[in-house]
Amino acid sequence: EPEVTQTPSHQVTQMGQEVILRCVPISNHLYFYWYRQILGQKVEFLVSFYNNEISEKSEIFDDQFSVERPDGSNFTLKIRSTKLEDSAMYFCASRGGPSTEAFFGQGTRLTVV
Amino acid sequence: GENVEQHPSTLSVQEGDSAVIKCTYSDSASNYFPWYKQELGKRPQLIIDIRSNVGEKKDQRIAVTLNKTAKHFSLHITETQPEDSAVYFCAAKESGGYNKLIFGAGTRLAVHP
Repeated sequence: EPEVTQTPSHQVTQMGQEVILRCVPISNHLYFYWYRQILGQKVEFLVSFYNNEISEKSEIFDDQFSVERPDGSNFTLKIRSTKLEDSAMYFCASRGGPSTEAFFGQGTRLTVV
Repeated sequence: GENVEQHPSTLSVQEGDSAVIKCTYSDSASNYFPWYKQELGKRPQLIIDIRSNVGEKKDQRIAVTLNKTAKHFSLHITETQPEDSAVYFCAAKESGGYNKLIFGAGTRLAVHP
C-alpha cells in the first residue's frame, strides 16, 4: 500500500536554527498539507499546497515557515529560526483529489532546545 | 472558519463494552467527516469516514452517525478490545478552500481487560 514518508523521524535543534522537514507524498497525489501536533494536543492545520503554490495557511504559519516542492516528489517544510514553542510532531499529508481520503505520514518529532 | 468540539476527552471502558465519542461542528457547509485513530507516537490512521449525504455508516465493530441538522456526528465502537485503546480524533472538512481538515481535541480511549 502506498505511504506518505517523512524524514527525519526525530530532529533536535537549537533555538534560532533553521530546520527542514522532508516528506514524500504518495506519487499521484495532488494536494499536500502540513499539520502540527503539540504533545497531548489536537492536530492543527498549518498549510495546504496545490498546483505548486500555497493554497491556504493558518495563523500559525507565519513568516518563519515556508514550504516547497522542489523536484516533483519531495514536499518540504522549513522553519527559518526555530523557537521553543515550535517543538511538536509535524505531520505531512497528501490527498489524490478533493473528495478523497487524506493519508498522513508517520510524523517528524521536532524538539527545540 | 470551522470549529470542531469533541467529547469526552478521556473514556475508560471494560473489554466487550461499547464506546461512544461525540463531535459537533460549526460550519453547516462542511461535507466530510473522518475519524482517525492514533496510537502512541504513530501517525493518525483513518478508521471510518462519512459524507454529508449519508446518515450512518458501519464497518464491522465501528459505526459513525451524522446529524446534519444538529451538526453533530458520533463514533460508536462495539465489543471493545484492548487493542482499541488509542486516541481518537474526529475531523471536519471545510466545504470550500483546499480541503483542509479541522480536528477535534481528541478522546483517549482505554479499554481494560
